[in-house]
Amino acid sequence: EIVLTQSPGTLSLSPGDRATLSCRASQSVSSSFLGWYQKKPGQAPRLLIYGASSRATGIPDRFSGSGSGTDFTLTISRLEPEDFAVYYCQQYGSSPFTFGPGTKVDIK
Amino acid sequence: EVHLLESGGGLVQPGGSLRLSCAASGFTFSSYSMSWVRQAPGKGLEWVSSLSYNGVTTYSADSVQGRFTISRDSSRDTLFLQMNALRADDTAVYYCAKRSNLGAFDYWGQGTPVTVSS
Repeated sequence: EIVLTQSPGTLSLSPGDRATLSCRASQSVSSSFLGWYQKKPGQAPRLLIYGASSRATGIPDRFSGSGSGTDFTLTISRLEPEDFAVYYCQQYGSSPFTFGPGTKVDIK
Repeated sequence: EVHLLESGGGLVQPGGSLRLSCAASGFTFSSYSMSWVRQAPGKGLEWVSSLSYNGVTTYSADSVQGRFTISRDSSRDTLFLQMNALRADDTAVYYCAKRSNLGAFDYWGQGTPVTVSS
């Protein structure tokens, strides 16, 4: 099983700040099978990034993904008020299709 | 527009059973793999089970293996999750999700809550 670790657990920032979220895997993940999701309370998860660096349909370009092997990064270039949420990475290349524990981005 | 609507959640006693449904629309259901993901209160997302587009190949988390069964009826564009021998730690909101051709979980339903308690 591929275990995903995310850091930091919580990121306290202000609107307009840059957010950098990390996802580390216990073993190499093909970049084709690494995704990032946004989750807000009471809402369905939303796919932001697939294939480590490709934005999903309708996702603003302030969201970007990078990385390979065991280290991946989600960057939000300028936080908008609607971006304060929990972000999860997921590997979907080999079962079990594990999620990381999440990074909460909250308002400073 | 892709739409996924879960139903069937509710309160059930430990050891009981529930069958969740996910009605799909806006895409060719029979062409895509589908999955169930859950979120327990105050916890993160947990993948539960996935099923191939043709219903042949299934994958399940160890935590539900032998108790939960994923299936689909492509004549009704519906995904199911049969949950047996339910435990308190199965309490969660259950989401169905469509998988893209590249494997990511690209569309999600709003979820259905399941509470296992006596």
